[in-house]
Amino acid sequence: NAGVTQTPKFQVLKTGQSMTLQCAQDMNHNSMYWYRQDPGMGLRLIYYSASEGTTDKGEVPNGYNVSRLNKREFSLRLESAAPSQTSVYFCASSDRSGKNTGELFFGEGSRLTVL
Amino acid sequence: GEDVEQSLFLSVREGDSSVINCTYTDSSSTYLYWYKQEPGAGLQLLTYIFSNMDMKQDQRLTVLLNKKDKHLSLRIADTQTGDSAIYFCAESHAGNMLTFGGGTRLMVKP
Repeated sequence: NAGVTQTPKFQVLKTGQSMTLQCAQDMNHNSMYWYRQDPGMGLRLIYYSASEGTTDKGEVPNGYNVSRLNKREFSLRLESAAPSQTSVYFCASSDRSGKNTGELFFGEGSRLTVL
Repeated sequence: GEDVEQSLFLSVREGDSSVINCTYTDSSSTYLYWYKQEPGAGLQLLTYIFSNMDMKQDQRLTVLLNKKDKHLSLRIADTQTGDSAIYFCAESHAGNMLTFGGGTRLMVKP
């Protein structure tokens, strides 16, 4: 089992460029999430998808868009990158059915630098 | 709103016990979690506790929950250099969403 796979692992962009971070999970989870991690601030939720076909804003959605392509894949797009979006991005998935603990499974992260 | 707070840094000597503390604000949390992040990696669930429990022990790990004070702690017995990592406290709330603390960096000195 690969779990949660993110690509790319590293990316450097210039201000104003666009890019898409890809995420796929092979655990048949209903829910998928995009977080960003900044020093001392923990993880902040950007967007999430509770189930295939739905997406919702999290705590810090401005400057981002998402697509839940199918049950496996959830992508994060930066349309016009800004230096404030320099961060480490994590994709996660979970099975939110009532019989489990709601544990999140994380990818290894994508480190993005915007110059 | 929800808020989860942790101290930023903890340094201990190998073989000592480590205690990482966390405070949270959502009294309706169903589960509280401890995640571990090693350098260059994603977060992995270390342990969790259901909100109607006040203690959970799992080998070297002991989780204590004080619901009255909304305080959660993680004790690592016989801390090893391999325990050096960032530890995140998280609480679940409405809709099974998780809110994370800022993380505590544990440094274990040989």
